[in-house]
Amino acid sequence: GAVVSQHPSWVICKSGTSVKIECRSLDFQATTMFWYRQFPKQSLMLMATSNEGSKATYEQGVEKDKFLINHASLTLSTLTVTSAHPEDSSFYICSADARGTGGQYEQYFGPGTRLTVT
Amino acid sequence: GQQLNQSPQSMFIQEGEDVSMNCTSSSIFNTWLWYKQDPGEGPVLLIALYKAGELTSNGRLTAQFGITRKDSFLNISASIPSDVGIYFCAGQLSNTGKLIFGQGTTLQVKP
Repeated sequence: GAVVSQHPSWVICKSGTSVKIECRSLDFQATTMFWYRQFPKQSLMLMATSNEGSKATYEQGVEKDKFLINHASLTLSTLTVTSAHPEDSSFYICSADARGTGGQYEQYFGPGTRLTVT
Repeated sequence: GQQLNQSPQSMFIQEGEDVSMNCTSSSIFNTWLWYKQDPGEGPVLLIALYKAGELTSNGRLTAQFGITRKDSFLNISASIPSDVGIYFCAGQLSNTGKLIFGQGTTLQVKP
């Protein structure tokens, strides 16, 4: 249980175009999902908290108009990188809270999406 | 902002050796988690800790939640080649569920 998927696993796009990344919880419902960005040889940096049915909460320094988040259902959150530029090239990872075997909520991660902007 | 200091940054060990890594924080967390990330993959949860002083094992992995709630360590016993990867600690904020990650420990195991 507690499987999170992402699509696509990798994408190459031209500068100025928009790219949508999907995050799905496959065997559980997730009221809250999180979006992270990871640059090479660095740790994960939280971008935003995606809340089902309401607006996302963005971390300081993350442009909400550039990184559009939609959490329209309990199993799907999408991240759209608008007007992408080469500096947006990164590894984008989503996560969702699910109950672990001990009954506590634990955060499970998707496999990530590698975005390359040319 | 809150930061986690994870050490060591990298380790290169011989197969069969034990490994220890730790995280410290200037803030208190109610939950500590340890993840492993392979290249090009998302992090995989190894161990979750919920109570100060808690010691939890998962196979050859053992992790402890520090009494002060500001630190945690992860031990790997009898390392094998498939232990290679990057290990991250993370503290979870109880009010928002957000995770604050350490910088990661890169582990390399020589057969």
